Amino acid sequence: EAQVTQNPRYLITVTGKKLTVTCSQNMNHEYMSWYRQDPGLGLRQIYYSMNVEVTDKGDVPEGYKVSRKEKRNFPLILESPSPNQTSLYFCASSPGLENEQFFGPGTRLTVL
Amino acid sequence: QKEVEQNSGPLSVPEGAIASLNCTYSDRGSQSFFWYRQYSGKSPELIMFIYSNGDKEDGRFTAQLNKASQYVSLLIRDSQPSDSATYLCAVKMPGGGNKLTFGTGTQLKVEL
Repeated sequence: EAQVTQNPRYLITVTGKKLTVTCSQNMNHEYMSWYRQDPGLGLRQIYYSMNVEVTDKGDVPEGYKVSRKEKRNFPLILESPSPNQTSLYFCASSPGLENEQFFGPGTRLTVL
Repeated sequence: QKEVEQNSGPLSVPEGAIASLNCTYSDRGSQSFFWYRQYSGKSPELIMFIYSNGDKEDGRFTAQLNKASQYVSLLIRDSQPSDSATYLCAVKMPGGGNKLTFGTGTQLKVEL
């Protein structure tokens, strides 16, 4: 089944404790993105990647890191999480710049 | 001015009626437009995309694009209670890699 997977789905952590949210897609898509979704602010792009080893900042990259060592994986790293990073996070992939983006199931992160 | 604007709703329509959802965007150079449906706690899923001026129909759904007026709309005919969700308008703006810029969504409630 073609899909984007994310893990974990739910995470409660404390300020400053490094964490990684994994994202994997099995559709051989070149483009992958991370979004966060907050009430009243909608979905905002954090980082995106146009291919292996090619990443760039989105609208809200502060406090996040990403890597793209393999085509299928695009982990999101929070080196020192803070409470303002409490949010619902979505990974997405697409075959091309103008194409539909397929979203993963989401990761609900709470930083205390 | 927000880049992509939607009325947050809720928009309430009776079962069987036509629901009309609207979206305006700021960048006249935008080329690709998407409507996503998002159920509470779930990830966005694509309903329709449209690239050219005019109407595009898919089953009960019709997307309408007017680039001169910079708006895109989604019509849902014969609305069903299962259509109750938040509808997100997304625009692929010039540049910015594969970023989609999302509106904050319109909540639709279809009442029995």
